[in-house]
Amino acid sequence: GAGVSQSPRYKVTKRGQDVALRCDPISGHVSLYWYRQALGQGPEFLTYFNYEAQQDKSGLPNDRFSAERPEGSISTLTIQRTEQRDSAMYRCASSSARTSASYEQYFGPGTRLTVT
Amino acid sequence: AQSVTQPDIHITVSEGASLELRCNYSYGATPYLFWYVQSPGQGLQLLLKYFSGDTLVQGIKGFEAEFKRSQSSFNLRKPSVHWSDAAEYFCAVGFSGNTPLVFGKGTRLSVIA
Repeated sequence: GAGVSQSPRYKVTKRGQDVALRCDPISGHVSLYWYRQALGQGPEFLTYFNYEAQQDKSGLPNDRFSAERPEGSISTLTIQRTEQRDSAMYRCASSSARTSASYEQYFGPGTRLTVT
Repeated sequence: AQSVTQPDIHITVSEGASLELRCNYSYGATPYLFWYVQSPGQGLQLLLKYFSGDTLVQGIKGFEAEFKRSQSSFNLRKPSVHWSDAAEYFCAVGFSGNTPLVFGKGTRLSVIA
């Protein structure tokens, strides 16, 4: 079946512009996670959802970052007034979370964001 | 705060040699433990996971890992490395089921002939 997909795969934007990054999880997966990965680092948690409810947004760097998952499926991560320090790989993951055997997270290919 | 340490930033091994990548975590209880691999331009692929039970777990591509509670470690091993194993390896922990993962900084593996 289809895995987690993200779009766009690459995004170049000018400082001050808003960007929206999309994540389409594996069909039926309850949980959806957003991570950010800087070059040479591991992914860092941003926020996550169970169904449409945002469970934890403690990893969002500041109020320019927001995320939604209105119908419990596709999620959008929005960055307003982008800054150069926002440049990174943004990764989405989903998990079934129905049993303990399904706690593994499946990752999408990521969106490489470059702010110029 | 919970943390994951991968002490080795970069490791180079010869093809056919054995491999061990180190991972230590900081947490008071037994976490959920994962190893992911990231090839250039690719997403993160799960190699193996530990939730409970047998502390030696087998994964894909011939990898295994052993959970050692006394050392708070979850080291990844492979008896014979192939050139295609060259990639970045990340250890991750979840501190209960279905919660965000905390990742280490990764270990880059290079394989030489």
